[in-house]
Amino acid sequence: NAGVTQTPKFQVLKTGQSMTLQCAQDMNHNSMYWYRQDPGMGLRLIYYSASEGTTDKGEVPNGYNVSRLNKREFSLRLESAAPSQTSVYFCASTAMAGGGGAQYFGPGTRLLVL
Amino acid sequence: KNEVEQSPQNLTAQEGEFITINCSYSVGISALHWLQQHPGGGIVSLFMLSSGKKKHGRLIATINIQEKHSSLHITASHPRDSAVYICAAPLFGGGADGLTFGKGTHLIIQP
Repeated sequence: NAGVTQTPKFQVLKTGQSMTLQCAQDMNHNSMYWYRQDPGMGLRLIYYSASEGTTDKGEVPNGYNVSRLNKREFSLRLESAAPSQTSVYFCASTAMAGGGGAQYFGPGTRLLVL
Repeated sequence: KNEVEQSPQNLTAQEGEFITINCSYSVGISALHWLQQHPGGGIVSLFMLSSGKKKHGRLIATINIQEKHSSLHITASHPRDSAVYICAAPLFGGGADGLTFGKGTHLIIQP
């Protein structure tokens, strides 16, 4: 099992460009999450999907959209990237429907917005 | 919304020392998480606990639900334990709402 995979590993964007971060898990997990990690701020929840077909905002959703494409995949889209979105993005999943279980993290995507 | 505080932010110790990292949270929770982040950036779940104590090798996690406090202990610390240790709790106390995190404790174990 690959666990949680994320693509790309690293990306450089110019202000105003758009991109989609991909996340997939092969553990048949129900809940999936997107977090960002910034120096001095720690990890913060952007969006989550408690189960296939549902998505909800987390602490810092502005500037992002998500799609739970199917049970395996949960993508994060930046429609018009801003320098403030420079960060490391982590996807995570948990087996329990409705969350609450141990979370498994992907390797992260480093995003630099110029 | 839950608020998670961790201490200390930085900790340097000698190999073999007993290490304690503390975590407090503001809202009653279903379970508390301890995570480890290595210098390469990967994040691994160490413990998820809702009461009492859990042990895995040289790592021990305890939680006091009434006091909203948890501790992570490392016995006989080793340089390979050097990492960032992060405490996390459900954002609104439980259910599917994802986690809110402490700022982490940067631990360095010197030989």
